[in-house]
Amino acid sequence: DAKTTQPNSMESNEEEPVHLPCNHSTISGTDYIHWYRQLPSQGPEYVIHGLTSNVNNRMASLAIAEDRKSSTLILHRATLRDAAVYYCILSANAGGTSYGKLTFGQGTILTVHP
Amino acid sequence: GAVVSQHPSRVICKSGTSVKIECRSLDFQATTMFWYRQFPKQSLMLMATSNEGSKATYEQGVEKDKFLINHASLTLSTLTVTSAHPEDSSFYICSARDLRLEYTGELFFGEGSRLTVL
Repeated sequence: DAKTTQPNSMESNEEEPVHLPCNHSTISGTDYIHWYRQLPSQGPEYVIHGLTSNVNNRMASLAIAEDRKSSTLILHRATLRDAAVYYCILSANAGGTSYGKLTFGQGTILTVHP
Repeated sequence: GAVVSQHPSRVICKSGTSVKIECRSLDFQATTMFWYRQFPKQSLMLMATSNEGSKATYEQGVEKDKFLINHASLTLSTLTVTSAHPEDSSFYICSARDLRLEYTGELFFGEGSRLTVL
């Protein structure tokens, strides 16, 4: 499986934007880039995913480099509730037989200061 | 949105006993569910893939006789930790695919079940 590399931790102030980077230099052409986050003592929560184009949803934006070797999750205005571990995961094509089988790395611990 | 529920959320048991954890998809059918284990300060580790109506597929290093998985219906998968020992104490999390959202990439996770073996 292609691996991802994320910073161990990042800090932000409330109401400010947060850019969470992820490197995935060995990504294959069919790998989707998924982001999940996990709040303390809870199961992970889907944030966003994309393939080649930048993506936006109500939670965040995903900026994907042109060569797809890196991506950035953007939280436009961090809140205290955004404090969590953020996981960048490469996954097989949705609909494929291995769809849903996620390999979690260590993720980035995001701390949001009031 | 789709919801996955786990029960119990917390369980404490004595060493040598067996514990069953349930994972339910509340408003969708899930032919495939996944079971993860997470130790403190660590990431999630996939244990097995649970397939409705067939045997589960276990990841390398996971003892299938110790972690029994049953996926008897399209909305329920169970994980039974047999003859539990203190080293099995962990946070167990399930996830499920909603076939209606097959191509959206979104997976749904349960709230997790914290097992403590005394």
